[in-house]
Amino acid sequence: GEDVEQSLFLSVREGDSSVINCTYTDSSSTYLYWYKQEPGAGLQLLTYIFSNMDMKQDQRLTVLLNKKDKHLSLRIADTQTGDSAIYFCAERGGERNQGGKLIFGQGTELSVKP
Amino acid sequence: EAQVTQNPRYLITVTGKKLTVTCSQNMNHEYMSWYRQDPGLGLRQIYYSMNVEVTDKGDVPEGYKVSRKEKRNFPLILESPSPNQTSLYFCASRERGGRHEQFFGPGTRLTVL
Repeated sequence: GEDVEQSLFLSVREGDSSVINCTYTDSSSTYLYWYKQEPGAGLQLLTYIFSNMDMKQDQRLTVLLNKKDKHLSLRIADTQTGDSAIYFCAERGGERNQGGKLIFGQGTELSVKP
Repeated sequence: EAQVTQNPRYLITVTGKKLTVTCSQNMNHEYMSWYRQDPGLGLRQIYYSMNVEVTDKGDVPEGYKVSRKEKRNFPLILESPSPNQTSLYFCASRERGGRHEQFFGPGTRLTVL
């Protein structure tokens, strides 16, 4: 069935780059998303990529999609302490798939040390 | 301001006492859904609705009910809560189709004793 996997923790130093990885199983996914959850808050959409794209860059964020390996990554350049949060990868199937529901990974807790 | 609101934000209750968590959105979105978030499991969809009077089960619907009588509201009902429903609950909404972003509410932390 559909499944999205992420590692649970990542620790980096301020100023370094962070790379958060995600694998998914549903080859019919149309869009893939990265959400950020700060402590005590809901989820906010960071960025997304359409399944026919390989890469998307948005300021400090770079998303890479390897559709053959079903691998998605989020790179945060010049990581800051304010980037500390839980990052969720999510895939979305087509509208026929339960109205295009989102399947979330477990979330990767990013800790940025000064 | 475009938003999804949930009430209450925090709730402690006892086993078997019926409760309702409300969700409302002001963006005229067709699609609404409920998720629960548990450590190490990410978010799992409980129920979703593609429009008024149209609801369907997600991945973990047992022990929950929903209704969609109006487009803006999508309450989550726990008829007889049990301790395994202790969790963080999120309501979300989006437009139907396309890449449309799913907007999340702030979450409701429920504890069932």
